[in-house]
Amino acid sequence: AQKITQTQPGMFVQEKEAVTLDCTYDTSDPSYGLFWYKQPSSGEMIFLIYQGSYDQQNATEGRYSLNFQKARKSANLVISASQLGDSAMYFCAMSPFQGAQKLVFGQGTRLTINP
Amino acid sequence: EAGVAQSPRYKIIEKRQSVAFWCNPISGHATLYWYQQILGQGPKLLIQFQNNGVVDDSQLPKDRFSAERLKGVDSTLKIQPAKLEDSAVYLCASSPLRAGSYNEQFFGPGTRLTVL
Repeated sequence: AQKITQTQPGMFVQEKEAVTLDCTYDTSDPSYGLFWYKQPSSGEMIFLIYQGSYDQQNATEGRYSLNFQKARKSANLVISASQLGDSAMYFCAMSPFQGAQKLVFGQGTRLTINP
Repeated sequence: EAGVAQSPRYKIIEKRQSVAFWCNPISGHATLYWYQQILGQGPKLLIQFQNNGVVDDSQLPKDRFSAERLKGVDSTLKIQPAKLEDSAVYLCASSPLRAGSYNEQFFGPGTRLTVL
Protein backbone atom coordinates (compact mmCIF):
# COMPACT_ATOMS: atom_id res chain seq x y z
CA ALA A 1 0.00 0.00 0.00
CA GLN A 2 1.10 3.55 -0.64
CA LYS A 3 0.84 6.45 1.78
CA ILE A 4 1.53 10.17 1.48
CA THR A 5 1.98 12.39 4.53
CA GLN A 6 1.82 16.18 4.45
CA THR A 7 2.41 17.52 7.94
CA GLN A 8 1.78 21.22 7.31
CA PRO A 9 -1.96 22.01 7.33
CA GLY A 10 -1.26 25.66 6.57
CA MET A 11 1.63 27.89 5.55
CA PHE A 12 1.82 31.67 5.47
CA VAL A 13 4.54 33.34 3.39
CA GLN A 14 5.36 36.88 2.32
CA GLU A 15 5.17 37.63 -1.39
CA LYS A 16 8.47 37.10 -3.26
CA GLU A 17 9.84 34.75 -0.60
CA ALA A 18 10.63 31.10 -1.33
CA VAL A 19 8.52 28.41 0.33
CA THR A 20 9.00 24.70 0.90
CA LEU A 21 6.03 22.37 1.25
CA ASP A 22 6.84 19.06 2.91
CA CYS A 23 5.86 15.61 1.67
CA THR A 24 6.94 12.18 2.85
CA TYR A 25 5.81 8.92 1.34
CA ASP A 26 5.80 5.19 1.92
CA THR A 27 5.57 2.47 -0.71
CA SER A 28 6.71 -1.04 -1.46
CA ASP A 29 6.66 -0.50 -5.23
CA PRO A 30 10.11 -0.70 -6.83
CA SER A 31 9.39 2.18 -9.18
CA TYR A 32 6.97 5.03 -8.73
CA GLY A 33 6.21 8.61 -9.57
CA LEU A 34 5.76 11.57 -7.26
CA PHE A 35 3.56 14.54 -8.13
CA TRP A 36 2.47 17.90 -6.89
CA TYR A 37 -0.91 19.40 -7.73
CA LYS A 38 -2.31 22.86 -7.00
CA GLN A 39 -6.00 23.29 -6.21
CA PRO A 40 -7.23 26.91 -6.19
CA SER A 41 -10.51 27.86 -4.58
CA SER A 42 -12.24 27.21 -7.92
CA GLY A 43 -11.62 23.51 -7.37
CA GLU A 44 -9.72 22.27 -10.39
CA MET A 45 -6.57 20.18 -9.88
CA ILE A 46 -3.61 21.70 -11.69
CA PHE A 47 -0.57 19.51 -12.32
CA LEU A 48 2.68 21.24 -11.28
CA ILE A 49 5.58 18.84 -11.36
CA TYR A 50 6.55 15.15 -11.62
CA GLN A 51 9.54 13.16 -10.33
CA GLY A 52 10.23 9.56 -11.27
CA SER A 53 11.81 7.39 -8.59
CA TYR A 54 14.73 6.51 -10.86
CA ASP A 55 15.37 10.02 -12.11
CA GLN A 56 18.88 11.08 -11.18
CA GLN A 57 18.17 14.80 -11.08
CA ASN A 58 15.53 16.72 -9.19
CA ALA A 59 12.65 17.91 -11.37
CA THR A 60 12.19 21.60 -12.10
CA GLU A 61 9.35 23.45 -13.86
CA GLY A 62 9.73 27.20 -13.92
CA ARG A 63 9.41 28.47 -10.34
CA TYR A 64 8.68 24.96 -9.05
CA SER A 65 11.30 22.42 -8.08
CA LEU A 66 10.98 19.09 -6.35
CA ASN A 67 13.56 18.26 -3.69
CA PHE A 68 13.64 14.47 -3.96
CA GLN A 69 15.50 12.54 -1.26
CA LYS A 70 14.87 8.87 -1.94
CA ALA A 71 16.63 7.50 1.14
CA ARG A 72 14.53 9.72 3.38
CA LYS A 73 11.38 9.09 1.32
CA SER A 74 10.70 12.77 0.94
CA ALA A 75 9.56 14.82 -2.04
CA ASN A 76 9.30 18.44 -0.97
CA LEU A 77 7.99 21.14 -3.30
CA VAL A 78 9.95 24.38 -3.46
CA ILE A 79 8.30 27.48 -4.90
CA SER A 80 10.72 30.30 -5.58
CA ALA A 81 9.71 33.97 -5.61
CA SER A 82 6.14 33.34 -4.44
CA GLN A 83 3.28 35.32 -5.95
CA LEU A 84 -0.19 36.20 -4.68
CA GLY A 85 -1.64 33.79 -7.24
CA ASP A 86 0.18 30.92 -5.57
CA SER A 87 -2.34 30.98 -2.72
CA ALA A 88 -4.12 27.63 -2.94
CA MET A 89 -4.22 24.08 -1.59
CA TYR A 90 -1.24 21.96 -2.61
CA PHE A 91 -1.38 18.18 -2.77
CA CYS A 92 1.46 15.72 -2.95
CA ALA A 93 0.61 12.42 -4.64
CA MET A 94 2.25 9.24 -5.79
CA SER A 95 1.56 6.45 -8.24
CA PRO A 96 3.18 3.13 -9.06
CA PHE A 97 5.00 3.23 -12.35
CA GLN A 98 3.77 -0.15 -13.46
CA GLY A 99 0.24 -1.46 -13.68
CA ALA A 100 -2.74 0.67 -12.75
CA GLN A 101 -1.33 4.15 -12.38
CA LYS A 102 -3.76 5.50 -9.80
CA LEU A 103 -2.82 8.52 -7.70
CA VAL A 104 -2.72 8.38 -3.90
CA PHE A 105 -2.94 11.87 -2.42
CA GLY A 106 -1.87 13.43 0.86
CA GLN A 107 -4.09 15.62 3.01
CA GLY A 108 -2.84 18.81 1.45
CA THR A 109 -1.26 22.07 2.62
CA ARG A 110 -3.06 25.38 2.38
CA LEU A 111 -0.58 28.03 1.24
CA THR A 112 -1.39 31.71 1.77
CA ILE A 113 0.79 34.38 0.22
CA ASN A 114 0.66 37.72 2.01
CA PRO A 115 1.33 40.99 0.14
CA GLU B 1 -7.55 20.70 -27.18
CA ALA B 2 -10.67 20.48 -25.02
CA GLY B 3 -10.20 19.43 -21.41
CA VAL B 4 -12.11 16.96 -19.29
CA ALA B 5 -15.77 17.95 -19.09
CA GLN B 6 -18.04 17.20 -16.15
CA SER B 7 -21.67 17.93 -15.41
CA PRO B 8 -23.41 19.08 -13.42
CA ARG B 9 -21.05 21.39 -11.58
CA TYR B 10 -23.23 21.49 -8.47
CA LYS B 11 -25.96 19.22 -7.12
CA ILE B 12 -28.00 19.36 -3.94
CA ILE B 13 -30.16 16.37 -2.99
CA GLU B 14 -31.76 14.91 0.09
CA LYS B 15 -30.51 11.72 1.67
CA ARG B 16 -31.87 8.52 0.17
CA GLN B 17 -32.29 10.20 -3.23
CA SER B 18 -30.35 9.14 -6.32
CA VAL B 19 -27.88 11.22 -8.31
CA ALA B 20 -25.76 10.75 -11.42
CA PHE B 21 -22.65 12.52 -12.63
CA TRP B 22 -21.30 12.61 -16.16
CA CYS B 23 -17.73 12.86 -17.45
CA ASN B 24 -16.36 13.28 -20.96
CA PRO B 25 -12.59 12.69 -21.05
CA ILE B 26 -10.03 14.23 -23.36
CA SER B 27 -10.35 12.74 -26.83
CA GLY B 28 -8.15 9.69 -27.28
CA HIS B 29 -7.49 9.12 -23.57
CA ALA B 30 -7.90 5.43 -22.82
CA THR B 31 -7.91 5.69 -19.03
CA LEU B 32 -10.62 7.39 -16.98
CA TYR B 33 -10.68 7.89 -13.21
CA TRP B 34 -13.34 8.96 -10.71
CA TYR B 35 -12.06 10.45 -7.44
CA GLN B 36 -14.01 11.52 -4.35
CA GLN B 37 -12.71 14.54 -2.45
CA ILE B 38 -14.29 15.14 0.94
CA LEU B 39 -13.86 18.66 2.33
CA GLY B 40 -10.43 19.08 3.92
CA GLN B 41 -8.99 15.89 2.43
CA GLY B 42 -7.10 14.84 -0.65
CA PRO B 43 -8.91 13.07 -3.49
CA LYS B 44 -9.47 9.32 -3.14
CA LEU B 45 -9.80 7.02 -6.14
CA LEU B 46 -13.21 5.40 -6.49
CA ILE B 47 -12.85 3.62 -9.82
CA GLN B 48 -10.45 3.43 -12.76
CA PHE B 49 -11.40 2.38 -16.28
CA GLN B 50 -9.11 1.42 -19.12
CA ASN B 51 -11.12 1.75 -22.30
CA ASN B 52 -14.46 0.29 -21.13
CA GLY B 53 -13.05 -2.21 -18.63
CA VAL B 54 -12.64 -1.69 -14.87
CA VAL B 55 -9.02 -1.72 -13.68
CA ASP B 56 -9.55 -0.84 -10.00
CA ASP B 57 -12.77 -0.39 -8.04
CA SER B 58 -11.48 -1.55 -4.67
CA GLN B 59 -12.57 1.64 -2.88
CA LEU B 60 -15.97 2.00 -4.54
CA PRO B 61 -18.86 1.43 -2.07
CA LYS B 62 -20.58 -1.00 -4.36
CA ASP B 63 -23.75 -1.23 -2.28
CA ARG B 64 -24.65 2.31 -3.35
CA PHE B 65 -22.19 3.50 -5.99
CA SER B 66 -22.02 2.32 -9.58
CA ALA B 67 -20.13 3.51 -12.63
CA GLU B 68 -20.01 2.66 -16.28
CA ARG B 69 -18.03 3.69 -19.30
CA LEU B 70 -19.88 2.64 -22.37
CA LYS B 71 -17.97 2.48 -25.67
CA GLY B 72 -14.78 3.47 -23.83
CA VAL B 73 -15.47 7.19 -24.02
CA ASP B 74 -17.68 9.09 -21.57
CA SER B 75 -18.64 7.78 -18.15
CA THR B 76 -21.37 8.12 -15.55
CA LEU B 77 -21.09 7.69 -11.79
CA LYS B 78 -24.29 7.01 -9.87
CA ILE B 79 -25.13 7.05 -6.18
CA GLN B 80 -28.31 5.28 -5.05
CA PRO B 81 -29.35 5.95 -2.33
CA ALA B 82 -27.22 8.88 -1.19
CA LYS B 83 -26.06 9.31 2.40
CA LEU B 84 -24.97 12.44 4.23
CA GLU B 85 -21.35 11.29 4.14
CA ASP B 86 -21.42 11.28 0.33
CA SER B 87 -21.23 15.08 0.35
CA ALA B 88 -18.01 15.77 -1.53
CA VAL B 89 -16.51 16.93 -4.80
CA TYR B 90 -16.42 14.19 -7.43
CA LEU B 91 -13.49 14.62 -9.77
CA CYS B 92 -13.09 12.92 -13.10
CA ALA B 93 -9.66 12.58 -14.69
CA SER B 94 -8.33 11.02 -17.86
CA SER B 95 -4.93 10.01 -19.14
CA PRO B 96 -3.44 8.59 -22.31
CA LEU B 97 -2.08 5.07 -22.28
CA ARG B 98 1.57 4.89 -23.26
CA ALA B 99 3.54 1.80 -22.38
CA GLY B 100 6.76 2.24 -20.41
CA SER B 101 6.12 5.75 -19.13
CA TYR B 102 4.03 7.61 -16.64
CA ASN B 103 0.74 8.81 -18.08
CA GLU B 104 -0.23 12.26 -16.75
CA GLN B 105 -3.75 12.61 -15.42
CA PHE B 106 -5.80 15.61 -16.47
CA PHE B 107 -8.63 16.60 -14.16
CA GLY B 108 -12.05 18.03 -14.85
CA PRO B 109 -13.59 20.88 -12.82
CA GLY B 110 -15.47 18.48 -10.53
CA THR B 111 -19.06 18.13 -9.36
CA ARG B 112 -19.81 19.42 -5.88
CA LEU B 113 -22.49 17.23 -4.24
CA THR B 114 -24.33 18.30 -1.10
CA VAL B 115 -26.56 15.73 0.59
CA LEU B 116 -29.06 17.21 3.07
